[in-house]
Amino acid sequence: QSVLTQPPSASGTPGQRVTISCSGSSSNIGRDNVNWFQQLPGTAPKLLIYTDNQRPSGVPDRFSGSKSGTSASLAISGLQSEDEADYYCAAWDGGLNGWVFGGGTKLTVL
Amino acid sequence: QVQLQQSGPGLVKPSQTLSLTCAISGDSVSSNSATWNWIRQSPSRGLEWLGRTYYRSRWYNAYAPSLKSRITINVDTSKNLFSLQLKSVTPEDTAVYYCARGPGTLRTWGQGTLVTVSS
Repeated sequence: QSVLTQPPSASGTPGQRVTISCSGSSSNIGRDNVNWFQQLPGTAPKLLIYTDNQRPSGVPDRFSGSKSGTSASLAISGLQSEDEADYYCAAWDGGLNGWVFGGGTKLTVL
Repeated sequence: QVQLQQSGPGLVKPSQTLSLTCAISGDSVSSNSATWNWIRQSPSRGLEWLGRTYYRSRWYNAYAPSLKSRITINVDTSKNLFSLQLKSVTPEDTAVYYCARGPGTLRTWGQGTLVTVSS
């Protein structure tokens, strides 16, 4: 059972806007930054969003992150077929003194 | 640009020790601003942080409580790499193992190593 809670699946049609939620607690999301990762089959997770809402260079501005209290969200606008992947949230947990992850959301582009 | 290259066996027998290394290029394992992490991923457990090592005037290690009795992370400064040892493995330890650079954000990951625990 993952420490952070994500919906197992999400879907949308090309061009649509999709959001993925991530729920945590005061010891992780509530006190530290949220990261979002995109994982394509057979590859390592790729950093998509850091420090709640910052994009590394090369990540399209279609991807955005937000946080409120102990929850965070990833939004993908202008959905494209290549966005079909697994998405994970992560945060440092001060109680466990380690990184904690969500269980992942499989995004399907219909 | 920091890159991490993993190596190690893909098959380990039950009760033996799993050993993986992560070679660093573009940064130093002794950096005062980095942390060096091991993470694994399996269908049953998802992504699971295993532990980290870092240098801040001296070496520090931190391990996931569930693995503390079985895990060791070491550093080889002469080869600029860090390594994972997980002893007394069982089939439950079958997973893809990743190394990753922190802190604050896990920006750089190794390519992953599938380790299967089986006789």
